[in-house]
Amino acid sequence: GQQLNQSPQSMFIQEGEDVSMNCTSSSIFNTWLWYKQDPGEGPVLLIALYKAGELTSNGRLTAQFGITRKDSFLNISASIPSDVGIYFCAGLPNTGNQFYFGTGTSLTVIP
Amino acid sequence: EAGVAQSPRYKIIEKRQSVAFWCNPISGHATLYWYQQILGQGPKLLIQFQNNGVVDDSQLPKDRFSAERLKGVDSTLKIQPAKLEDSAVYLCASRRTAANSPLHFGNGTRLTVT
Repeated sequence: GQQLNQSPQSMFIQEGEDVSMNCTSSSIFNTWLWYKQDPGEGPVLLIALYKAGELTSNGRLTAQFGITRKDSFLNISASIPSDVGIYFCAGLPNTGNQFYFGTGTSLTVIP
Repeated sequence: EAGVAQSPRYKIIEKRQSVAFWCNPISGHATLYWYQQILGQGPKLLIQFQNNGVVDDSQLPKDRFSAERLKGVDSTLKIQPAKLEDSAVYLCASRRTAANSPLHFGNGTRLTVT
């Protein structure tokens, strides 16, 4: 099956710092989605991207759909303690109707 | 709009017992998914429904797992008999049929098999 490479696997940052993470695929995707998952909860949708080159913001979060359609990036600016959690990317390939997920980036924010 | 509803939130059973999970998707969402999420990993698709029909169940262990969505709205996922390795969070998700439609998840059911 399709594999999504998500990096970094984990991050430990100081409060106020910016965060960057990315996902890459081996094939072209039509849709990229970014989620945050807190312990004991389901993934919550943060940003949805549907067009190559698209740059979308949601508060302090900004995500981009890569021009090659094989990657996507998520940035968090001025991190705060409640940003702690696991961030997942998900993508829908050009062919087929199954979403594929990255392995997650665990974010720890140190006050 | 109300989110994806799942129940129960937690379930503990012994191996070889059976268990069932229930999901009610967001109103108007024709596509429904069941995922298995093992600790430290991303969700893994078990089965996908479009209305009351199965679109993809290629990764469903059919010797022990079954799922149905008889009326094209809510869905149940059953495991019988359960194994230790079935311990995971079972997530239900739904989306509209339209191309540019994101996936919305419920809070999941955490299953522990002892």
